[in-house]
Amino acid sequence: DAGVIQSPRHEVTEMGQEVTLRCKPISGHNSLFWYRQTMMRGLELLIYFNNNVPIDDSGMPEDRFSAKMPNASFSTLKIQPSEPRDSAVYFCASRHKPGTGGPIEQYFGPGTRLTVT
Amino acid sequence: QKEVEQNSGPLSVPEGAIASLNCTYSDRGSQSFFWYRQYSGKSPELIMSIYSNGDKEDGRFTAQLNKASQYVSLLIRDSQPSDSATYLCAVNRGNNRLAFGKGNQVVVIP
Repeated sequence: DAGVIQSPRHEVTEMGQEVTLRCKPISGHNSLFWYRQTMMRGLELLIYFNNNVPIDDSGMPEDRFSAKMPNASFSTLKIQPSEPRDSAVYFCASRHKPGTGGPIEQYFGPGTRLTVT
Repeated sequence: QKEVEQNSGPLSVPEGAIASLNCTYSDRGSQSFFWYRQYSGKSPELIMSIYSNGDKEDGRFTAQLNKASQYVSLLIRDSQPSDSATYLCAVNRGNNRLAFGKGNQVVVIP
């Protein structure tokens, strides 16, 4: 079974440009999480979805960040406009929805390393 | 107080020795706990989960949970160079969100 898939793996862009990160969760998982990891702040949860519905976006740093999950197998995280301080590794993770009886562990994708110059 | 704290600095252990990592958490209501291993430049990889007080063993790894004292630990027995990585402690915050510690770097010296 394929794991969580993310694209692109690396993204270099100039300040002010729009950036879109993509994620395909593990088949059968219906909770999806977006994280950001930096040396200074560690791994931070940005937003998570249950059954394609955003449940908690309190970790989204500001309005420049938005996330969507149009169907069970695809999600995007968009930054518009991007700034140098957005440079980080962005991870997507998925798991079974709580209360469904499935394992509750989260599994991470390979990440997208974003550099904004 | 941070939600999840991993205060130890880099840990260097000789090959074959036991590496011991500790983690404390602030939310007494937390019920599930996880250890992730992250190699440099890679994504976090789940290696242990624990839900009940006591020890849980999986191969060379043992997780220990003490809810009364609000700490979780990870022991790596017979450390191998391939165990050199950063180990992240994660705690379920009760609303299905994980809070992560900053991680502890382990270096196994051949």
